Amino acid sequence: DIQMTQSPSSLSASAGDRVTITCQASHDINNYLSWYQHKTGRAPKLLIHDASNLQTGVPSRFSGTGSGTNFTFTITSLQPEDVATYYCQQYANVFPLTFGGGTKVEV
Amino acid sequence: QVDLVESGGGVVQPGKSLRLSCSFSGVNFGDFGMHWVRHSPGKGLEWVAAVSHDATNKYYEDSVKGRFTISRDNSKNTLYLQMSNLRRGDTAVYYCVKSTSAGYHNAMDAWGNGTSVTVSS
Repeated sequence: DIQMTQSPSSLSASAGDRVTITCQASHDINNYLSWYQHKTGRAPKLLIHDASNLQTGVPSRFSGTGSGTNFTFTITSLQPEDVATYYCQQYANVFPLTFGGGTKVEV
Repeated sequence: QVDLVESGGGVVQPGKSLRLSCSFSGVNFGDFGMHWVRHSPGKGLEWVAAVSHDATNKYYEDSVKGRFTISRDNSKNTLYLQMSNLRRGDTAVYYCVKSTSAGYHNAMDAWGNGTSVTVSS
């Protein structure tokens, strides 16, 4: 199995701050990585696919970089509505598909 | 706009069975691979099962192999998850999820609102 190690597990920041979350894969996954936002009581939402491609309709303050085993997700100017748990997920050509442990973001 | 609506969740005793359904609308259901993903507070998001667009290929997370069966009826635009021999560890909100392509090694770009399954005696 490909393990996804996500950090930090939680963070608290102020509105307007830059926030960075990292995700490390246990094996090379090329760029087969996505980032999701999960608000309490809501369906998860795809933000970034293929490591760095912004999903249509997602604000440009969200971004992703990386390839191989090391990936980064950034919110350039944190907004109050960004309170959520964020997950990375790998979809390389193996099963099981796996998620990181999540990062709870508070403002 | 894609819409996915899950149903069939509930409270069930350990060892019993439950069938989840997901009604799909908005684009051609038969063009996309589909998944079930579950969320529990202690475990975060966990992929459960996947099925290809034409139902010829199915894959499962190890802990549900032999107990859960994913299926789809493209004529009814519906995805299913038959869950048998349920365990307390299966307690979660179950999401029906659309892949971005016919396969399943892609991002998941549309999610239902989930249906809650509680396994308890």
